[in-house]
Amino acid sequence: GENVEQHPSTLSVQEGDSAVIKCTYSDSASNYFPWYKQELGKRPQLIIDIRSNVGEKKDQRIAVTLNKTAKHFSLHITETQPEDSAVYFCAATSRGRNTDKLIFGTGTRLQVFP
Amino acid sequence: DTEVTQTPKHLVMGMTNKKSLKCEQHMGHRAMYWYKQKAKKPPELMFVYSYEKLSINESVPSRFSPECPNSSLLNLHLHALQPEDSALYLCASSHLGTTRGNTIYFGEGSWLTVV
Repeated sequence: GENVEQHPSTLSVQEGDSAVIKCTYSDSASNYFPWYKQELGKRPQLIIDIRSNVGEKKDQRIAVTLNKTAKHFSLHITETQPEDSAVYFCAATSRGRNTDKLIFGTGTRLQVFP
Repeated sequence: DTEVTQTPKHLVMGMTNKKSLKCEQHMGHRAMYWYKQKAKKPPELMFVYSYEKLSINESVPSRFSPECPNSSLLNLHLHALQPEDSALYLCASSHLGTTRGNTIYFGEGSWLTVV
């Protein structure tokens, strides 16, 4: 089955700096890679996703890159703000016979200091 | 509307109680999911329903019993739980059938405490 590894587990940056979180996956059949942000006590919220036919996607200060050959993908946050502080989860979806199966990485706790 | 609604938001139950968690979506999604999340851990997949049929059971103990009465509703029946089952239970839903993955939307979760 799919296995997703995520690094680092914690990341502290100064406001305005960039933050990068990296994930690797094991199942070469995985074709969809979402990133979720989870604030304390809240549900995971989708912030950006990328599909296997695309190498890079950007949405304002957030970008995701995918390297299918190496089976890794990364989240880039530029000009970080204190409200970016949260736990970020990468995930990979592999196609089952009838259903997608979303497997999460272990999470990265991002702290942005003013 | 990208809303998945879960009730109750908080539940405290004894180890001999029977209770249910409920989930509803009106996005026309034909896949619905239950995830369990412990503190400081990622969500773990428990069950997946596709077209109202159970398609994935991740070896979940039988004290958790899912039910999908129709395409909009998903229940999780709880019986004889253990204190270690205390966690955030997340319901989610998505479309089926696209070739390159479907966005999965999460509800706000039900915080379960077993005493």
